[in-house]
Amino acid sequence: QSVVTQAPSTSGTPGQRLTISCSGNTSNIENNYMYWYQQLPGTAPKLLIYRNNQRPSGVPDRFSGSKSGASGSLAISGLRSEDEADYYCAAWDDSLRGWVFGGGTKLTVL
Amino acid sequence: QVQVVESGGGVVQPGTSLRLSCASSGFTFSSYAMHWVRQAPGAGLEWVATISFDGSSVFYSDSLKGRFTISRDNSKNAVFLQMNSLRLEDTAVFYCAKGGSSSAGYFESWGRGTLVTVSS
Repeated sequence: QSVVTQAPSTSGTPGQRLTISCSGNTSNIENNYMYWYQQLPGTAPKLLIYRNNQRPSGVPDRFSGSKSGASGSLAISGLRSEDEADYYCAAWDDSLRGWVFGGGTKLTVL
Repeated sequence: QVQVVESGGGVVQPGTSLRLSCASSGFTFSSYAMHWVRQAPGAGLEWVATISFDGSSVFYSDSLKGRFTISRDNSKNAVFLQMNSLRLEDTAVFYCAKGGSSSAGYFESWGRGTLVTVSS
């Protein structure tokens, strides 16, 4: 069981604003940057958000990240069918001296 | 543009060894950390190992119990993962990722992965 937890699934309708949450502890999310990755079906993961709330070039501004204490969230506004994917949060863990991933949240666009 | 391409996967028997390679291009390889991340069939992402830009620092997942070794050759823009004593539960797609910084930086760019199947 991962030290960083995410809900296994969520769903939304086109155009909706939706958030995916991630919860950790002092060793990881609270004291380090948080990252978000998108994995479309059958493809490699892709960096979506880095350093809590920064978007790499090419990532639409519909995606945004935030962090408060030992938890963080990914917000997707104007939900589209092509957003249907698995979303993972990640952070460095000072106690484990390694990276930890959340278990992933599968987003279904109804 | 940044490219990382994994190779070396295949079908192997339990207890044997395998060496994965990752060829990189499109960036100054010797300035960035590199990572290996794996994904078992139908499962989530699992961090495996990280090597700093110059190879002086390496980090491993505790779950590997010393069976895997990460290394790099900056003259060839390549990173490697030596996997020993392979187990059925090591079956996974192994991804190589460019770090976001020189030390233990995040997973900035990913390859398409190489499949390792451990089966008797």
